[in-house]
Amino acid sequence: QKEVEQDPGPLSVPEGAIVSLNCTYSNSAFQYFMWYRQYSRKGPELLMYTYSSGNKEDGRFTAQVDKSSKYISLFIRDSQPSDSATYLCAMTPGGSYIPTFGRGTSLIVHP
Amino acid sequence: DVKVTQSSRYLVKRTGEKVFLECVQDMDHENMFWYRQDPGLGLRLIYFSYDVKMKEKGDIPEGYSVSREKKERFSLILESASTNQTSMYLCASSSPSAGVRTGELFFGEGSRLTVL
Repeated sequence: QKEVEQDPGPLSVPEGAIVSLNCTYSNSAFQYFMWYRQYSRKGPELLMYTYSSGNKEDGRFTAQVDKSSKYISLFIRDSQPSDSATYLCAMTPGGSYIPTFGRGTSLIVHP
Repeated sequence: DVKVTQSSRYLVKRTGEKVFLECVQDMDHENMFWYRQDPGLGLRLIYFSYDVKMKEKGDIPEGYSVSREKKERFSLILESASTNQTSMYLCASSSPSAGVRTGELFFGEGSRLTVL
């Protein structure tokens, strides 16, 4: 079993839908949780960064961490075709600068 | 603006050739990384470096070596390329002094290598 599990999709939704992307993990030492977005033929870029449990909101994006369930989510409201990309979750324990990545979920938002 | 530059976006090489992938960052970051990304397998860490002339093996170092002679430059070397090294290679950098944002990586745009 991988330390971080992420459904690869693809997830196809209509424009305007609410999207939920999720990862589960097994290492209870993880404290820092990240979501990266990767457009086709580009490198990943950091989208959201959260520490420990709770929610963090940035515009149409909300990152949620539930450490008791070892489950993190990224919600995208009012999804747009420009949100079509691969979304990778990543996490690190305290004191480490090497994240463990999920395999990424491919999201397609069609007009 | 933060920038990690990979010199070659697309390369085609023959089996047995020596391949150099170059990466330069302009953020004065101490840490640099090489990943490969394959469909269904996600990102896999090949090597990383936390200082000039220092290197550490990642999860899949076999068949690769690295060089870091200057802080801003980190090179990935395939001594004798094989077809199973056909992949997207991503360079990244980070700063250990980023406080709570340690673990935040800045990626280059990738080098797609095809070995025939």
